[in-house]
Amino acid sequence: GENVEQHPSTLSVQEGDSAVIKCTYSDSASNYFPWYKQELGKRPQLIIDIRSNVGEKKDQRIAVTLNKTAKHFSLHITETQPEDSAVYFCAASLSGGYNKLIFGAGTRLAVHP
Amino acid sequence: EAGVAQSPRYKIIEKRQSVAFWCNPISGHATLYWYQQILGQGPKLLIQFQNNGVVDDSQLPKDRFSAERLKGVDSTLKIQPAKLEDSAVYLCASSLDVAGDEKLFFGSGTQLSVL
Repeated sequence: GENVEQHPSTLSVQEGDSAVIKCTYSDSASNYFPWYKQELGKRPQLIIDIRSNVGEKKDQRIAVTLNKTAKHFSLHITETQPEDSAVYFCAASLSGGYNKLIFGAGTRLAVHP
Repeated sequence: EAGVAQSPRYKIIEKRQSVAFWCNPISGHATLYWYQQILGQGPKLLIQFQNNGVVDDSQLPKDRFSAERLKGVDSTLKIQPAKLEDSAVYLCASSLDVAGDEKLFFGSGTQLSVL
């Protein structure tokens, strides 16, 4: 079946450094790629998303890049802060379905002061 | 804007017992989803409704799980009987039924522990 692979599973950085999380997807018809942040014990919240007709999107310290040919997309966080510590999930839309998303396994990001 | 509401927040049951979860989506959101999130994994879609009709339930273990969305608003997810491997967080989410707006909004989830 279709799947999304996410790497790394854990990531530890010093405050102020950059963090990069990568995902690959298998459904060539996927055209929507959101990223969710989930703090401990809380609901996943959308932080940024990108559509297949765009190669890059930025929102302050967060950016997402998409390579449709290679079927991978990445989340970039610059100038990391302790409050960025959370689990981040990537997702990709599936063809043939209404707003159906398949999620990666998640990356636990720890930002150390 | 009120978010997706879920209850209960936590539930502990013994295996073979029954349990039910409730979800109230964001007002005006036609599409409602139930996801299962096992510890250390990403959310996995169990069932998706559009209004009160099922769009996708291919991953729902139908021998023990059931869900309904009466009147196209609130939804309940039931497990009967529960197994140890059902221990997980059950997330409800909703979205607008608008082309080009696939944003999912999640509830806080129900954490189920099956002993």
